[in-house]
Amino acid sequence: AQKITQTQPGMFVQEKEAVTLDCTYDTSDQSYGLFWYKQPSSGEMIFLIYQGSYDEQNATEGRYSLNFQKARKSANLVISASQLGDSAMYFCAMTPTSSGGSYIPTFGRGTSLIVHP
Amino acid sequence: EAQVTQNPRYLITVTGKKLTVTCSQNMNHEYMSWYRQDPGLGLRQIYYSMNVEVTDKGDVPEGYKVSRKEKRNFPLILESPSPNQTSLYFCATKTGMAEAFFGQGTRLTVV
Repeated sequence: AQKITQTQPGMFVQEKEAVTLDCTYDTSDQSYGLFWYKQPSSGEMIFLIYQGSYDEQNATEGRYSLNFQKARKSANLVISASQLGDSAMYFCAMTPTSSGGSYIPTFGRGTSLIVHP
Repeated sequence: EAQVTQNPRYLITVTGKKLTVTCSQNMNHEYMSWYRQDPGLGLRQIYYSMNVEVTDKGDVPEGYKVSRKEKRNFPLILESPSPNQTSLYFCATKTGMAEAFFGQGTRLTVV
């Protein structure tokens, strides 16, 4: 069974500052993928970033980076230079990626980020 | 423009009245899936489809049906909706490993 834990229900950050959103996971799979999604107040789900368990480099997408620490089973999202438009719910998720396995992602409960001007 | 289109966006219905939420994608993706989102629970997968005529149960399939007769469409069917199926529903497709494209969501209320 997989489990995703996001321990921060809410986070506040000043505009232009960097912020780290925490995500820890638990899985018995050797091959898995980790993702982050953003959900603004309008409700849509926006894919941000993906990290494979065998990827040696941390994933980056523009201002988003995923701080992947496999031994600690953590996959924190780092947002650099926060903008007001970054205010949203953020969800961490994971899925096994072994061939032949079922593809059922597990999502965390989310972290609400508010960016102050 | 790459799109996943869900309809309707909002629906209020009564217990037991069959309904269908449609999902259509224009990206020729083989994989499609359905999620429900409930407060404090994140997203939970209902069903997914790896290709036409291939569907599999997700975490919470009870009370739902799906069909995948053609690649672009993946409707979600509630044969006899109940109040505990009141939720926000998302259809998604993926390219590569991650669900990268989500529909706008369908807010369903069953009274």
